[in-house]
Amino acid sequence: DAGITQSPRYKITETGRQVTLMCHQTWSHSYMFWYRQDLGHGLRLIYYSAAADITDKGEVPDGYVVSRSKTENFPLTLESATRSQTSVYFCASSDGAANYGYTFGSGTRLTVV
Amino acid sequence: AQSVTQPDIHITVSEGASLELRCNYSYGATPYLFWYVQSPGQGLQLLLKYFSGDTLVQGIKGFEAEFKRSQSSFNLRKPSVHWSDAAEYFCAVVANTGTASKLTFGTGTRLQVTL
Repeated sequence: DAGITQSPRYKITETGRQVTLMCHQTWSHSYMFWYRQDLGHGLRLIYYSAAADITDKGEVPDGYVVSRSKTENFPLTLESATRSQTSVYFCASSDGAANYGYTFGSGTRLTVV
Repeated sequence: AQSVTQPDIHITVSEGASLELRCNYSYGATPYLFWYVQSPGQGLQLLLKYFSGDTLVQGIKGFEAEFKRSQSSFNLRKPSVHWSDAAEYFCAVVANTGTASKLTFGTGTRLQVTL
């Protein structure tokens, strides 16, 4: 089905472990984004990508790594998870035109214990 | 830097009552403004957007928003709220910086609807 898919939907991991959150979109949108949502902070941009092999930092990139070898995939890796990274993570995609807004995935709820 | 402020963290209205959610933006140029809604456990859905032209924008689900440059505001309104409107609402502004146009969100307003 067309759309933007995030996996897993829920994840519990231990402090210090590496964890990867997946994001896949079927529209061939050029732009993809990772946000985290925390109470009192709304959504904050972690990383974004303008095209395959082009990525850039957002507002809160520390502790995260991204890659984009294919247009349709934009995984987010927490290299050594910390409790402060417990959050809900949203992936979004856009065709790049500011006036079209973004389309969001359903989110991944990550708990770091 | 661009930003949006949603001064109300939580609002409660009765079903059938009117609703207004506030949003103030800070941006040097003409902003692109959006309202999104997030139902519990779901992603964000676009309600409406403003780029230019008519300052009253109609969206889905009976929502509208009015852009007021003099007040730097983009408030969301609905004449009669339904219980299914209970959700979190986010105002956002686009800024063209770096290699992409990026959305900056407000902190959200949680709407509770009483029957």
